[in-house]
Amino acid sequence: GQNIDQPTEMTATEGAIVQINCTYQTSGFNGLFWYQQHAGEAPTFLSYNVLDGLEEKGRFSSFLSRSKGYSYLLLKELQMKDSASYLCAVSRVYNQGGKLIFGQGTELSVKP
Amino acid sequence: NAGVTQTPKFQVLKTGQSMTLQCAQDMNHEYMSWYRQDPGMGLRLIHYSVGAGITDQGEVPNGYNVSRSTTEDFPLRLLSAAPSQTSVYFCASRARQVPTEAFFGQGTRLTVV
Repeated sequence: GQNIDQPTEMTATEGAIVQINCTYQTSGFNGLFWYQQHAGEAPTFLSYNVLDGLEEKGRFSSFLSRSKGYSYLLLKELQMKDSASYLCAVSRVYNQGGKLIFGQGTELSVKP
Repeated sequence: NAGVTQTPKFQVLKTGQSMTLQCAQDMNHEYMSWYRQDPGMGLRLIHYSVGAGITDQGEVPNGYNVSRSTTEDFPLRLLSAAPSQTSVYFCASRARQVPTEAFFGQGTRLTVV
């Protein structure tokens, strides 16, 4: 089975930095993905980690520690348009169907 | 540049009716999945497929059937709709060379009355 936990809601101020944490327990781990989803829209891909460490993509960075079952998404220089739900998802190996399993999402509100 | 196409975008069904949600992708992806999204529940996996002719159950498969006769298409069938199946449904595809990102369709908002 698998268990993925992330905070339900977070609030941050425009221009600030926010860190969204994700912890997971799963077998056959093969990568961790972060998606952004605006209300009424489909999820869009942000970042992924396969190996331990930090991956940086512009204002967004994602970190993974496989031994701790822990990841975070870091958003810098927050903008109002960053208000959205952020979904953490764990990928499983092919012989377990290559499934992508999602956490419940973190609703981020960016205030002026 | 179609990507993943879902139809319909909106649907209202009466309890007990059946219907098929369509999903097609033009990226030659091996993996395809169906998710449902309810408020505060994130995306929950209904069924998935690793290739034509191969399907398996996800976390919440009851009340749904799937088939995968071609690489491109992965329809989701509701056999006898129930109000508990009111949800937003997303189809996704990804390449087998894992790990790769999943591409999502625009979603189908289904209401069962």
